[in-house]
Amino acid sequence: AQRVTQPEKLLSVFKGAPVELKCNYSYSGSPELFWYVQYSRQRLQLLLRHISRESIKGFTADLNKGETSFHLKKPFAQEEDSAMYYCALSGTSYGKLTFGQGTILTVHP
Amino acid sequence: EAQVTQNPRYLITVTGKKLTVTCSQNMNHEYMSWYRQDPGLGLRQIYYSMNVEVTDKGDVPEGYKVSRKEKRNFPLILESPSPNQTSLYFCASKFPGPGEKLFFGSGTQLSVL
Repeated sequence: AQRVTQPEKLLSVFKGAPVELKCNYSYSGSPELFWYVQYSRQRLQLLLRHISRESIKGFTADLNKGETSFHLKKPFAQEEDSAMYYCALSGTSYGKLTFGQGTILTVHP
Repeated sequence: EAQVTQNPRYLITVTGKKLTVTCSQNMNHEYMSWYRQDPGLGLRQIYYSMNVEVTDKGDVPEGYKVSRKEKRNFPLILESPSPNQTSLYFCASKFPGPGEKLFFGSGTQLSVL
């Protein structure tokens, strides 16, 4: 069975502060991991995926297989980063996609 | 415009009255799936389809049916809705394979009274 845990339901930071959204997973094989974001009144959309090793809007995430984590980080948060963030895992079948509970990030001015 | 279209956006119904939520995509994606979003529980996968006539259960399939007769459409059917199916539903599609991103619909808010 595959599982994704986002321990923080709510996260508040001030503009310019570093932010880290935690994601831990449980999966016996090699997972594909993603971060999806939902801004207010917009559709859920992909933020980044570990397979691409990319940085999007200043966010990065590193897959740590030893700690089974895929935490999302940004060194200097901006007000427009306020949104709901979901961590997601896809296993080797690529069909079943498991999301975490989501973290609401609020960046205060 | 490339997109996933769900209808209706809002639906209020009563217990036991069969309903269908439609989902259509115009990106020629093989993979389509349905999720429900509930506070504190996040997004949970209901069903998914890897291609036409190929469907499989997600994590919470009880009380739902799907069909995939055409590549572009993937309707979600609730044959006898119950109040615990009150939720926000999302349809999504993508190309198959690792690392492919999901394209989401705008959601259907369902209330079962």
